[in-house]
Formats: sequence, C-alpha cells, structure tokens
Amino acid sequence: GAVVSQHPSWVICKSGTSVKIECRSLDFQATTMFWYRQFPKQSLMLMATSNEGSKATYEQGVEKDKFLINHASLTLSTLTVTSAHPEDSSFYICSALRGNEVNQPQHFGDGTRLSIL
Amino acid sequence: AQSVTQLDSHVSVSEGTPVLLRCNYSSSYSPSLFWYVQHPNKGLQLLLKYTSAATLVKGINGFEAEFKKSETSFHLTKPSAHMSDAAEYFCVVSPYNFNKFYFGSGTKLNVKP
Repeated sequence: GAVVSQHPSWVICKSGTSVKIECRSLDFQATTMFWYRQFPKQSLMLMATSNEGSKATYEQGVEKDKFLINHASLTLSTLTVTSAHPEDSSFYICSALRGNEVNQPQHFGDGTRLSIL
Repeated sequence: AQSVTQLDSHVSVSEGTPVLLRCNYSSSYSPSLFWYVQHPNKGLQLLLKYTSAATLVKGINGFEAEFKKSETSFHLTKPSAHMSDAAEYFCVVSPYNFNKFYFGSGTKLNVKP
C-alpha cells in the first residue's frame, strides 16, 4: 500500500496560537507532498507544494509567512499555521507522491480539522 | 490549459441501481486521470486511475471508468449502488509527465434505501 498519516486529526485552539500539522508517508519515500485546504461543501484548494530539501512552492494568494511548510525528510512534511485566527479554521489535507514517479496518483492523509476560537 | 468539469454537483440513486458520475477534462497533454472518494471528515481514497494503458479501468469497490479521448470524458460507473457508496467523489486530471493535479468541483452521491 501507500499509507499517509496526518496528525492531529482534530485540533481546537485559541486565537493567536500556532498549530503544527504533520504529514508522514509510512511505507514509502515522498519527494513531493502537497497541502490542501478544503472549505465546507467545496473541492480541495492547493495551498503549496512541498519538496524535500527545498523551499515550498506556494499558490497565489497563500501567505507563506502564515502557513509555514517544512519538508526536512523524505517521509515528513509539516504545515504550521502561525498566529491562527478564526478565519483559518478549515479542513487541511496533505498528500504525497511516491518517490520520483510521475503519472501516478497522490496518496492522501485523513485530514486535520482546525477550529480556532 | 488544464481543467476538469464534473457535470453534476449532486446525484441521487436507489440502492441496487447503477451509478454514473460524469467527468469531462481539458488537457494540453495526454493526461493521467483519477477518481477519488471522500467520506465526511476524511481524506481522499483512490478509486481508480488511468495512465495511458487500457481505456477501461477497473477500480476498487466495483467502480470502473472509461477514458474516451474523442469525448474528453472519464465517467465513473458502478452497476449496483450500495449504501456505503454515499460520499463525495472527485475527478482529478494530471498532464502527462507533470506532477500537477487539477480537481473537479466534486459530485455528492446520495444512495436511497
């Protein structure tokens, strides 16, 4: 299989705190990982592409200083929402590509429900 | 330019009847195509993929899809719906040899008893 573990699955915190979300590929190496945000009843919105050992590539309109991405190993990428506010509340999903393959599917984590009070 | 259109935002079927979820794509390059299913508060699970091999692709849980280049379509079908199939379904296209993915807006499948 190709298992991606995302942690935590649910987090509630106060406004102004920073929250870190982890995305791990458990049984394969992932050179590339993606971070998505999903609003209720909508499709996934790509936030950034995370490449191991290099800076993430952010999509237009996504604040890189707000959403810090670190991909320090071939099995782990983290997304940190800094100084979170209620408008950052959302469902965040990561995905990973196996190795350096192309034309292959993404493997998704189970998502993190973030609620900022 | 790449894009994906899922023609129906909602589809409702009775249990035991066929399912058809429609997807049309636009791609400048020979694409790879995928169907995913998402249950509430969950990530996306791969149902099947087309990557330039056989045009009729069989996936998990009895789903299959047919790649029709002339119609630029990749519709998802299942002969007999089950209650557990109720979920959101996403069609995704990726241009050949590019690790860039374009998502459809999703189709919510409702299965009535």
